[in-house]
Amino acid sequence: DILMTQTPLSSPVTLGQPASISCRSSQSLVHSDGNTYLSWLQQRPGQPPRLLIYKISNRFSGVPDRFSGSGAGTDFTLKISRVEAEDVGVYYCMQATQFPDTFGQGTKLEIK
Amino acid sequence: EVQLVQSGAEVKKPGESLKISCKGSGYSFTSYWIGWVRQMPGKGLEWMGIIYPGDSDTRYSPSFQGQVTISADKSISTAYLQWSSLKASDTAMYYCVRRPGLVIDYWGQGTLVTVSS
Repeated sequence: DILMTQTPLSSPVTLGQPASISCRSSQSLVHSDGNTYLSWLQQRPGQPPRLLIYKISNRFSGVPDRFSGSGAGTDFTLKISRVEAEDVGVYYCMQATQFPDTFGQGTKLEIK
Repeated sequence: EVQLVQSGAEVKKPGESLKISCKGSGYSFTSYWIGWVRQMPGKGLEWMGIIYPGDSDTRYSPSFQGQVTISADKSISTAYLQWSSLKASDTAMYYCVRRPGLVIDYWGQGTLVTVSS
């Protein structure tokens, strides 16, 4: 299985300030079809996860543009340009390039 | 509107069997893979397996092969996750997800399964 490693595991952030989460995979996530199936998920407290970003940098429907994704190969980043109170929760990266899909261990975003 | 609606919370004893469900609506149920994800208390997400309701093609993560059974009834747009003999370690929240291609786009609300004697 592909191992997904996130850093940091916890990120205290001041409201209105930027935040960044890194995700590294144990092998390249470039699929044979040329796409890279790396997604970012947000799980607010007490809620199911929801899709934020797919294929590295594509925002899902309804996701605010303060969320952005970047990266290539094995190294990826989720950035929040200005953190809002509703962004509190746990963020996961996940890969679907190789079955079984695997998830990072999660990064807890909290407000200072 | 795409929706995945899961069955309600369950409390079971070790050794009992269980089948939980996930009903899809707002899209063509037979045209998208449905997957199952486990989240143990206070822990992260684990991929269990997927099924294509159109032809019931099913694939399991090696960690869950032989431990659970995934099925679907396309006539009622419902996917299932079942156990023949529950263990305390099966206590978790279980989510169904829609998987168009190699992306998970929609999640069910989750079904909490508690296994305790």
